[in-house]
Amino acid sequence: AQSVTQPDIHITVSEGASLELRCNYSYGATPYLFWYVQSPGQGLQLLLKYFSGDTLVQGIKGFEAEFKRSQSSFNLRKPSVHWSDAAEYFCAVGGITDTGFQKLVFGTGTRLLVSP
Amino acid sequence: GAVVSQHPSRVICKSGTSVKIECRSLDFQATTMFWYRQFPKQSLMLMATSNEGSKATYEQGVEKDKFLINHASLTLSTLTVTSAHPEDSSFYICSARDRASGRNEQYFGPGTRLTVT
Repeated sequence: AQSVTQPDIHITVSEGASLELRCNYSYGATPYLFWYVQSPGQGLQLLLKYFSGDTLVQGIKGFEAEFKRSQSSFNLRKPSVHWSDAAEYFCAVGGITDTGFQKLVFGTGTRLLVSP
Repeated sequence: GAVVSQHPSRVICKSGTSVKIECRSLDFQATTMFWYRQFPKQSLMLMATSNEGSKATYEQGVEKDKFLINHASLTLSTLTVTSAHPEDSSFYICSARDRASGRNEQYFGPGTRLTVT
């Protein structure tokens, strides 16, 4: 079965500093990988996705992620964090349900705090 | 493009009553919609997959008689929480797959906060 691990529950970064959020996945085939951001009380916004091709994926708001098959990782990065980036970040892998439907499996999320 | 709405955004109901949550794809047709539940400070857990014109498929451990899902059209799915209890209080989020896209990409609604008193 598919699974996603986000080992960091909380991360605090100074404004202007670089950011890397870790994501490891388990999936038998070539995965579809996603990063979503959720602000408090809000739904999820897609930051970027990887389906195939170039393993370095560019997303919105200056985020990027790199797919590393050998490490089963899809870490999210941003070179300079802004205070508005404070939110919950979820990594997800696309998989198949027991009944054959496609579904997303989410990690437990990483809460990003940005200090002045 | 690819906007999904949910209504209501917040609802408070009394124990024993039922509440219906709507999920609409506003600018695309969604053959498949998903319903997730999110507890405070936790991840999203898939409850069920809803396909237009057919019965929903529930994940293991989700009571289908309690969480009624109807996907009557290509743009609307509803989740009805029947005989609600305080433990049903949660954040419910729907998502939809664009019929025109063959990829495993979902567009999420803004969520509905349900509080059962």
